[in-house]
Order: sequence, then structure tokens, then C-alpha cells
Amino acid sequence: DSGVTQTPKHLITATGQRVTLRCSPRSGDLSVYWYQQSLDQGLQFLIQYYNGEERAKGNILERFSAQQFPDLHSELNLSSLELGDSALYFCASTQGAANEKLFFGSGTQLSVL
Amino acid sequence: QQQVKQSPQSLIVQKGGISIINCAYENTAFDYFPWYQQFPGKGPALLIAIRPDVSEKKEGRFTISFNKSAKQFSLHIMDSQPGDSATYFCAASRGGGYQKVTFGIGTKLQVIP
Repeated sequence: DSGVTQTPKHLITATGQRVTLRCSPRSGDLSVYWYQQSLDQGLQFLIQYYNGEERAKGNILERFSAQQFPDLHSELNLSSLELGDSALYFCASTQGAANEKLFFGSGTQLSVL
Repeated sequence: QQQVKQSPQSLIVQKGGISIINCAYENTAFDYFPWYQQFPGKGPALLIAIRPDVSEKKEGRFTISFNKSAKQFSLHIMDSQPGDSATYFCAASRGGGYQKVTFGIGTKLQVIP
């Protein structure tokens, strides 16, 4: 058990809808990362937050947004969903801003029908 | 743009054999090269990592070989066991904070008895 909690584990929704994925980092970790995993693209970095502030941005679509709250949990919001957004979404955390060892949650499997 | 190229995407090895997964990177600013192991239904977990100041690092049956001039690194799993069956990701990142970790596409390893 990595200590990173992601909810829900599975999410099935329809195109055009909006969903929120939640992540609680390990106790004491200040950095949260979001990754999207698909079969043809592997693990794609979306965004990083450190102590509530956005610190790095990857291939995140404009329809997607994230935030980290004062209690350090993070939410990834996906809107105007398309079939191609179906993927496994992972959250990872580290203690500091440096990313030498990422602790991943078990992921949220999103299916857009 | 795939900054870390990983091959093969799938690998079948007999129990007791050597599993070899190769990765190549483009960005010479990368200075940390971890490998992550992912079992079905779980998030990736750090397996072993290397910095470019050494050419090899060994932890148990797992060895990373690093060739800085060729910008290549590989994972060798000696005496492969069925319990090693998982997806393996190579990755690379730059030192310092706020830098994303770039992952390879992943290699699905199956070790058959």
C-alpha cells in the first residue's frame, strides 16, 4: 500500500459529462502529480501541485483542470468528456518538490460511453 | 513527442531466464533514471533508479545498465520468476524541483514456468 488514496476506483459516464477525481496524498507529502495512462500512450504527465500551488504542467487538455486544497488533497476535473478520455488516471505524491520517488495510488478507471 | 523510447512493448521469458528491457532518451538534461514496476490493478512502484555518474546499479536480481554517450539505459532481470510478471516503465527526469517525470510507454513482461 503506497499510502496514496484515489477515489472512485471506477467511473462510467457519458460523452459531454463532467467528472471529478479525488486524490489524498501520503501523510506529510506536499506534492501531488496527476498522470493519464492509456495503452497507446503509456503514462502521460498532466499536472503537478506543490503545497497548493501549480508547479508544472504537461499535456493537460483545456477541458481538464485540477487543484490542491489546504488539506493537501487534490481533485482533477474533467469536463465535456469525449470517448478518447477513457483511460486510467493516476495520482502520485512526494514529500518535497523534487520528484525522485513517486508514490502512486491505485488509479481511477474512467470509461466514457 | 516521445522523449523516452522504450522497447520491447511486450516480452515473454522462461522462468530462470534473463529479461532485458531497453530505453533511450533524447534530453541530455535528464539526470535521474528510475524504473517503475506495475502489477495489474495497482499503481506503478519504484523498483530501482540510477544517476548518470555510474554505469551500472544492481539491487538483488535487478540491474540497470547506463550508457551516457549513447543516451541509453536498460533493465536486466536475472533469474526471472513468474512473480516478476508485470508492466515495467523506464523514466527520466531533470534534477531539482517542479520537474515532471517522463515515462516510457511500458513493457509488459510475462514469465512463463
